[in-house]
Amino acid sequence: DAGITQSPRHKVTETGTPVTLRCHQTENHRYMYWYRQDPGHGLRLIHYSYGVKDTDKGEVSDGYSVSRSKTEDFLLTLESATSSQTSVYFCAISETGTNNEQFFGPGTRLTVL
Amino acid sequence: KNEVEQSPQNLTAQEGEFITINCSYSVGISALHWLQQHPGGGIVSLFMLSSGKKKHGRLIATINIQEKHSSLHITASHPRDSAVYICAVPLMNYGGSQGNLIFGKGTKLSVKP
Repeated sequence: DAGITQSPRHKVTETGTPVTLRCHQTENHRYMYWYRQDPGHGLRLIHYSYGVKDTDKGEVSDGYSVSRSKTEDFLLTLESATSSQTSVYFCAISETGTNNEQFFGPGTRLTVL
Repeated sequence: KNEVEQSPQNLTAQEGEFITINCSYSVGISALHWLQQHPGGGIVSLFMLSSGKKKHGRLIATINIQEKHSSLHITASHPRDSAVYICAVPLMNYGGSQGNLIFGKGTKLSVKP
């Protein structure tokens, strides 16, 4: 199994509080992704990174920011959490982008009350 | 607009049956991904293919680039195959770097003993 961990695995927070989710990889893959998964929707990309300090927005980036200061870590921050951000968040990694297999982390279930 | 459509949405089969899950997409692509999401939530990559057919155990994936269609087949289905099967295609961003995948909403397969 690819070495990807996510922390925390579960979090309950209140509206308006900041939240940071962490994705950590040990595979030295260049690309890292943050997705959210909601009932009735496919996985949707929030942000992705194609290298250290290189990031780009995805389909549903509003209300989220990311940072990647080193190859192994990709952080997703909700500056002021809202109930609409209640979701399951998956991190994924890929060696060379979308024409290469993606490996997914175990997911983080976030509930915003 | 890039779209990925899967059919059926839900599928119930008896153990031993031959299963087919379909995926259609609306734009030209370089590769298509098939993923499996276990009942516990974990997501694993099954196949990435750009032409023809790939086989792994009882799973077979085929793609017809001209018809923009792919199928995932499961031979001799087993209850442990019960999962959500997801197809995804790449979306190239404006900068040309390999951006993100567009995911179908998934096909939920339940195999009864």
